[in-house]
Amino acid sequence: AQKVTQAQTEISVVEKEDVTLDCVYETRDTTYYLFWYKQPPSGELVFLIRRNSFDEQNEISGRYSWNFQKSTSSFNFTITASQVVDSAVYFCALSDTGRRALTFGSGTRLQVQP
Amino acid sequence: KAGVTQTPRYLIKTRGQQVTLSCSPISGHRSVSWYQQTPGQGLQFLFEYFSETQRNKGNFPGRFSGRQFSNSRSEMNVSTLELGDSALYLCASSLTSGGMETQYFGPGTRLLVL
Repeated sequence: AQKVTQAQTEISVVEKEDVTLDCVYETRDTTYYLFWYKQPPSGELVFLIRRNSFDEQNEISGRYSWNFQKSTSSFNFTITASQVVDSAVYFCALSDTGRRALTFGSGTRLQVQP
Repeated sequence: KAGVTQTPRYLIKTRGQQVTLSCSPISGHRSVSWYQQTPGQGLQFLFEYFSETQRNKGNFPGRFSGRQFSNSRSEMNVSTLELGDSALYLCASSLTSGGMETQYFGPGTRLLVL
């Protein structure tokens, strides 16, 4: 069975601090896909990134970066120089080609204080 | 390109009633998935439709059903509502059926059952 664990329930930082959101996953599949979504107070899930299991290259997009490590089954997300607009709940999710559905972690609420 | 749209955005029903939620996917997307989000259970997969066929189903009772039309629009129905059905119902669309496809979410329908 698939499982995604986001151990950090809530994180509070001050603006301009760097923050890392942790994600650990479990799956028996060799081919799988990992995602990060952001959910602002409005409720809509906003897609941030997708990674497949064969691509362990880390990625940077502006202030966002992702560290994928198969050896530790982790897919962590770092926001550099956080801003108040980054305040939201962030979800890590896992999928495989067979199940065609996302398994979500419980989410991490990020509060960025001015 | 317009995003995923869901109607209605808010709904209040009483126990025992039934409800129908609607989802219009991104133009060109043929797969529609539905998820339920509650504070207690988090985000859970309900079902996925592709080319008017249900391809995958989550672990929900038969009171939850759905369908997809030839234009890829989808509806989900919940019959005999229970208090525990109060949730944010999110619809997501993707180009094709398959876990590897990125799912783009709509704003959700907030259902309150009294």
